[in-house]
Amino acid sequence: ETGVTQTPRHLVMGMTNKKSLKCEQHLGHNAMYWYKQSAKKPLELMFVYNFKEQTENNSVPSRFSPECPNSSHLFLHLHTLQPEDSALYLCASSQDRASGADTQYFGPGTRLTVL
Amino acid sequence: QKEVEQDPGPLSVPEGAIVSLNCTYSNSAFQYFMWYRQYSRKGPELLMYTYSSGNKEDGRFTAQVDKSSKYISLFIRDSQPSDSATYLCAMSAGSLAQKLVFGQGTRLTINP
Repeated sequence: ETGVTQTPRHLVMGMTNKKSLKCEQHLGHNAMYWYKQSAKKPLELMFVYNFKEQTENNSVPSRFSPECPNSSHLFLHLHTLQPEDSALYLCASSQDRASGADTQYFGPGTRLTVL
Repeated sequence: QKEVEQDPGPLSVPEGAIVSLNCTYSNSAFQYFMWYRQYSRKGPELLMYTYSSGNKEDGRFTAQVDKSSKYISLFIRDSQPSDSATYLCAMSAGSLAQKLVFGQGTRLTINP
């Protein structure tokens, strides 16, 4: 595996379900990100982890719970979601959040549908 | 007012045409200006970036930044069907990785 991988690629869940999204980066990076991409809306940054520590939470509802056990893995735990949470969830990584010339590398995303 | 505005399109042009994609922004602190390309069922990938004002060319692609007008552009020359994708502009005050603010994305189709 190379780059940033995400599983599952597609997920359909009911509002009462609990599920988790997984992201793994194979780039040796130290910063990881969760974004939400909805139709006709800009990418919304949800969470940022730098060296396994959460450094940013952009007022995301508590039904989304991130976890970063190490610099290579990032999870997004989902529970009691709403239909408006249906979107493409993208994971990204970068070498170091503070580095000037660094760039973010994105995974392919998980297409989430909440029924 | 949104920090970054981008016409979502869709934009459809014939093969070989010159394509112009644009974004405007309101935050004068932005210093890094990026263009990401996103193919269907894929994540965005960085296409080009510019620091501060000026032009940057990479093959058929040219990125322009006009900070006085708060306006950035991406030009694609000799467009190919393989250029069909959604193009996202993104900006940052700190770096290419810090606190990126994205536009909506413009869906582009190049017709053979």
